[in-house]
Amino acid sequence: DGGITQSPKYLFRKEGQNVTLSCEQNLNHDAMYWYRQDPGQGLRLIYYSQIVNDFQKGDIAEGYSVSREKKESFPLTVTSAQKNPTAFYLCASSIVRSGGAKNIQYFGAGTRLSVL
Amino acid sequence: AQKITQTQPGMFVQEKEAVTLDCTYDTSDQSYGLFWYKQPSSGEMIFLIYQGSYDEQNATEGRYSLNFQKARKSANLVISASQLGDSAMYFCAMREGISGGSYIPTFGRGTSLIVHP
Repeated sequence: DGGITQSPKYLFRKEGQNVTLSCEQNLNHDAMYWYRQDPGQGLRLIYYSQIVNDFQKGDIAEGYSVSREKKESFPLTVTSAQKNPTAFYLCASSIVRSGGAKNIQYFGAGTRLSVL
Repeated sequence: AQKITQTQPGMFVQEKEAVTLDCTYDTSDQSYGLFWYKQPSSGEMIFLIYQGSYDEQNATEGRYSLNFQKARKSANLVISASQLGDSAMYFCAMREGISGGSYIPTFGRGTSLIVHP
């Protein structure tokens, strides 16, 4: 079945530690996205990529890094510079088409990150 | 100013009844898209329905319909014949523009829907 796989489902980070969240898609989508969700909040964009080897910062990129070496994969690293990383992280993908197209985003099941 | 406003933090509905979840948006673009997503307690965001700004008819997908009132900048989600499995958070989102844009939607804060038996 086609879809987006995020792993792990739960992740714990120690002080000063970098952790990496995995996101893989087999939908053949060009664009991939990382969002952060805090309780009672909507989704806030961290990073997005519309093509391999290229990505752009979203609204809250500080303390995070990404790579896009393969079309299928868009891992997110939460660095030690991110002082408040506890949140739910969602990865999404979509086609990229202009002209008012839907460009619906499809989401993974998320990773819940907590600080020890 | 918020681009997407969902004023109802929580809603309750009896099973089998219809419910309307409110969403207003703010944009100066002529071309934009409106989306609704459902987020059950498991966390995954599930796409429900889409309305384009130039679509003349309200979008419908099974029990979901979007009440699109362009002049009022409102895009309310109507769920008919609620089911217990409809209990979830519901998010309204908007993607603006078509020229050179990144097509990244902006999400509202969501409405929690609880369906009572």
